[in-house]
Amino acid sequence: QSALTQPASVSGSPGQSITISCTGSGSDVGRYKFVSWFQQHPGNAPKLMIYEASKRPPGASNRFSGSKSGNTASLTISGLQAEDEADYFCCSYGGSSTLLFGGGTKLTVL
Amino acid sequence: EVQLVQSGAEVKKPGESLKISCKGSGYSFSNYWIAWVRQMPGRGLEWMAMIYPGDSDTRYSPSLQGQVTMSADKSISTAYLQWSGLGASDTAIYYCARQEYYTRTVDVWGQGTTVTVSS
Repeated sequence: QSALTQPASVSGSPGQSITISCTGSGSDVGRYKFVSWFQQHPGNAPKLMIYEASKRPPGASNRFSGSKSGNTASLTISGLQAEDEADYFCCSYGGSSTLLFGGGTKLTVL
Repeated sequence: EVQLVQSGAEVKKPGESLKISCKGSGYSFSNYWIAWVRQMPGRGLEWMAMIYPGDSDTRYSPSLQGQVTMSADKSISTAYLQWSGLGASDTAIYYCARQEYYTRTVDVWGQGTTVTVSS
C-alpha cells in the first residue's frame, strides 16, 4: 500500500482535459509545498512534469498543470493527446529527508 | 546535458551479494543528492535512500534501513547501491535520480537497473 493515494486509472478523449488526484495527510502533502508529478511510459524512466505543486520544469508541456489544496494535490492535463497515455505518479516530501510516492494512475487516451 | 547512466541488468540467486552503479555527467556531481528509487514488478515507486557525494552523508527510508547500503565516489562521479544478501523480494527495477535539495524534487533519472533474484 502506497503512502499517497491516487486513482488506479483515468481516461479521456483527445482534446479533453483530465485531472488526477493525489491524497496524502497533514504530515506530507498538507504540510509541504514539495509535491511533484512524474510521467512514465512503459519501459522508460519517470519524467518530471510538475514540481513544488504547480511549477513546470524546462521542457515540460504547458498542457500540464498542478495544484494543491489541503491534503490533496492534483495534476491536470488539458488538450489530451495520444502521447499523454502513460502512468502518472505523485510524490511528496514526507519530512526527515524522505519522499513518498503515490501508487500511480494509468491514463488511457480513448 | 545532465545524465545519469546506470549499470546493466543483473540476475542473481538468493543470498548473493550485488553492487549496482550510477554515473553522473553534465553537472557538478558532488553538489547534488543522489536518490535511489525502486519499482517492484507491476507496482509503484518507492524512495529508498539518498546520498550526498560531496561528503557521503546518507539518509535511508526507515523501512529499508539496514537492508541496503549506499556509497559514492565523487572522484569518478559515481554512486552505488549494494546488498550483502539478496532475497526474492529485492526483484525490482532500481532507478538512481538527482534529488534537488531546495525543491526536494527528483529532477533527472537514470535509465534503471533491473535486478532479478531467483533460484
